[in-house]
Amino acid sequence: EVHLLESGGDLVQPGGSLRLSCAASGFNFIKYAMSWVRQAPGRGLEWVSDISETGGDTYYADSVKGRFTISRDNSKSALFLQMNSLRGEDTAVYYCVRGIVGAFWGQGTLVTVSS
Amino acid sequence: DVVMTQSPLSLPVTLGQPASISCRSSQSLVHSDGNTYLNWFQQRPGLSPRRLIYKVSDRDSGVPDRFSGSGSGTAFTLRISRVEAEDVGIYYCMQGTHWPVTFGGGTKVEIK
Repeated sequence: EVHLLESGGDLVQPGGSLRLSCAASGFNFIKYAMSWVRQAPGRGLEWVSDISETGGDTYYADSVKGRFTISRDNSKSALFLQMNSLRGEDTAVYYCVRGIVGAFWGQGTLVTVSS
Repeated sequence: DVVMTQSPLSLPVTLGQPASISCRSSQSLVHSDGNTYLNWFQQRPGLSPRRLIYKVSDRDSGVPDRFSGSGSGTAFTLRISRVEAEDVGIYYCMQGTHWPVTFGGGTKVEIK
């Protein structure tokens, strides 16, 4: 059974940093691109970033480019999102998703940016 | 970016009756490979989104056959043949044909 478990969400001050992790299991991680999608409180879904199977190609939404970095460790079936220079508008639940926004989503981890 | 516009924003439905959600894109979603990457997601209250339909009309494993997708080019529809109580939630369309991936604003389905 495919399982994606995010962690690392927290309350952080504006300008701060946070690193999200996603532990994947139940499938051959190295065969899939992976994505991060976020959802601000009471709002819709926003694609944030994705990474190719090998990690050699990464893509970002304009809203996070230059501040967020996606990476993966295929030896550990893990996906990461390093978030720097956080802003209030980054407050959201962040979901780890298999594929380029595919069928399998984690339960999400809440990031709150506030002073 | 491709703009995805859903209607209606809110859809009150009677149990056992059909429901239909429209999604329109600002440009054609036909990919150069011939596929149309238009997906539908359901988000039940308090839960993560769940993909129901991919490539316009293919149902994901475990999705009841009362859900169906149709459309082409820039106009797409998600239909529920007979709404059940467990179908309450927000439905999103999403395009994966053009970079970046973009979502519709969502349609809230509730029981009358």
